[in-house]
Amino acid sequence: DTGVSQDPRHKITKRGQNVTFRCDPISEHNRLYWYRQTLGQGPEFLTYFQNEAQLEKSRLLSDRFSAERPKGSFSTLEIQRTEQGDSAMYLCASSPGGLAGVFGYEQYFGPGTRLTVT
Amino acid sequence: AQKVTQAQTEISVVEKEDVTLDCVYETRDTTYYLFWYKQPPSGELVFLIRRNSFDEQNEISGRYSWNFQKSTSSFNFTITASQVVDSAVYFCALSGGASSGSARQLTFGSGTQLTVLP
Repeated sequence: DTGVSQDPRHKITKRGQNVTFRCDPISEHNRLYWYRQTLGQGPEFLTYFQNEAQLEKSRLLSDRFSAERPKGSFSTLEIQRTEQGDSAMYLCASSPGGLAGVFGYEQYFGPGTRLTVT
Repeated sequence: AQKVTQAQTEISVVEKEDVTLDCVYETRDTTYYLFWYKQPPSGELVFLIRRNSFDEQNEISGRYSWNFQKSTSSFNFTITASQVVDSAVYFCALSGGASSGSARQLTFGSGTQLTVLP
């Protein structure tokens, strides 16, 4: 049983460039989440997918950020025109779907993509 | 709005000592879920436990135990006979029930860095 995987693990980019991260959730999980974690802080929620539908977005997700999950399997998170403040660890998590409308399942996290914007 | 407070930023103990990590939460939801995660130096968040708001029974798993008290809005975590491998950052997290605006996300505390010295 493989866990959540993320690619790349590290990304260094120059300010103003676009970057894209990929997340592959646990295969039987239909719920997928993106979080951002900065040094010394807990993860902060960015967005949530149920299957291919993006059902919730945080106010942290500015217009420069976009996430997709085209076939309800893997997901991508793109940041356009990166800024130094975007430097952080980007975490992906997945959870079992269970019954529709039932929440509170534990989320399983991937290893994260560490982004450094120079 | 939901909030999780982990007042202990860093704790250092000597191996074999018992240690308790505090977690205090705020929520207006009547149904909610509490979690603990471990983040070792490798960086990947590891799920430890999930409790729902209707289950106040304490739980023990090996050297780990959790004390959930709704009256004080606390969900504390105790490690008995600590070991060097327990050194990590520990996060407490909260999510709402199905009718909550925060059902689809985890709200994390800022974490407690536990160092177990040999």
